[in-house]
Amino acid sequence: AQSVTQLDSQVPVFEEAPVELRCNYSSSVSVYLFWYVQYPNQGLQLLLKYLSGSTLVKGINGFEAEFNKSQTSFHLRKPSVHISDTAEYFCAVSVSNNNDMRFGAGTRLTVKP
Amino acid sequence: EAGVAQSPRYKIIEKRQSVAFWCNPISGHATLYWYQQILGQGPKLLIQFQNNGVVDDSQLPKDRFSAERLKGVDSTLKIQPAKLEDSAVYLCASSPGTSGYEQYFGPGTRLTVT
Repeated sequence: AQSVTQLDSQVPVFEEAPVELRCNYSSSVSVYLFWYVQYPNQGLQLLLKYLSGSTLVKGINGFEAEFNKSQTSFHLRKPSVHISDTAEYFCAVSVSNNNDMRFGAGTRLTVKP
Repeated sequence: EAGVAQSPRYKIIEKRQSVAFWCNPISGHATLYWYQQILGQGPKLLIQFQNNGVVDDSQLPKDRFSAERLKGVDSTLKIQPAKLEDSAVYLCASSPGTSGYEQYFGPGTRLTVT
């Protein structure tokens, strides 16, 4: 079955600095990849997704991610973060023949003034 | 468009008691999911419905957990009897289809078992 590893449990960063949240996946078949954000006491909200095509995917709130098949990675980036980006970020993977979505353990992004 | 609705938002029970959670998915979404999110972890799929049929319940602890989706719309998840390790947020999600579709999440129900 597919799986996801988020390499950093916590990422502190100063406001207006760039940030990268790392995600690696494992699967023996083609994958679909997702990044979700979770604000305190809320459900998950989709930031962006990769299904096929261009490996650079742009999402909401200025985030983007790049699918790298050779490195089995799907890292999330933002060139300049805001205080409001403070949240938990989850990388997820599903495979083409079902929607069994597997989530990583999450990365807590803390943006400091 | 209304989002995924869940109730209650919070529940505190003692171990060995029973509890039920309710979910109303986005209108027209055929697929419904229940996830368990333990503090500090990512969501773990418990059960997936396609209309009113079960697609995947391989990770559902069937000795104590049950779920149903009558009429292919809203769904209930029940725990009986609850254990301390069931303390978690229970998330409901829905999607228009299966493979490759975004899942839309409700706000979750935070369960505390004492």
